[in-house]
Amino acid sequence: AQTVTQSQPEMSVQEAETVTLSCTYDTSESDYYLFWYKQPPSRQMILVIRQEAYKQQNATENRFSVNFQKAAKSFSLKISDSQLGDAAMYFCAYRSAMGGSEKLVFGKGMKLTVNP
Amino acid sequence: DTGVSQDPRHKITKRGQNVTFRCDPISEHNRLYWYRQTLGQGPEFLTYFQNEAQLEKSRLLSDRFSAERPKGSFSTLEIQRTEQGDSAMYLCASSSRGNTDTQYFGPGTRLTVL
Repeated sequence: AQTVTQSQPEMSVQEAETVTLSCTYDTSESDYYLFWYKQPPSRQMILVIRQEAYKQQNATENRFSVNFQKAAKSFSLKISDSQLGDAAMYFCAYRSAMGGSEKLVFGKGMKLTVNP
Repeated sequence: DTGVSQDPRHKITKRGQNVTFRCDPISEHNRLYWYRQTLGQGPEFLTYFQNEAQLEKSRLLSDRFSAERPKGSFSTLEIQRTEQGDSAMYLCASSSRGNTDTQYFGPGTRLTVL
């Protein structure tokens, strides 16, 4: 079974600074998707960024980028120019692309605080 | 496209009662997922529908839980004989094959069992 680990339960960053959130996962599959979701205090889960495992290029979405290291099974999220609105729980998630299960497997999450 | 909606947003019930939640997916999304999230944890998968067919169920989904998607549109999740351990946020998500398979989540239904 696949597992996702977020080892840092909480982090804080100063507004306008850069912060990196770490995530590791365990799988024996070769084809899969990885996601970062954000869950603000209102608790609706919002997709931040996704990465297909077959793509070597790291995904970017505006101020958000990932460092995908397939061999190391690592998938970190970098937030540049942090804003107060980035404060939220962040969840790393895995989804198989091998056919069959379409479930997302989530890590326990990490609480990001942005200090003004 | 109004997003995934869930009803009710909050439900308080007494132990032993039955509860039912509804999820309306994004229009034309043929896949619908249910997850459960307890405090301080990430969501855990419960079940998944493709159109009206329930294709996958987690072992977390005990026989007190049942989910339906009768016409391939909205879905209901029923919990019978609720227990205090059922207290959680129940999240619904939908996706569409060919749309990068990304799951879009609703606001959730918070269940409190007294």
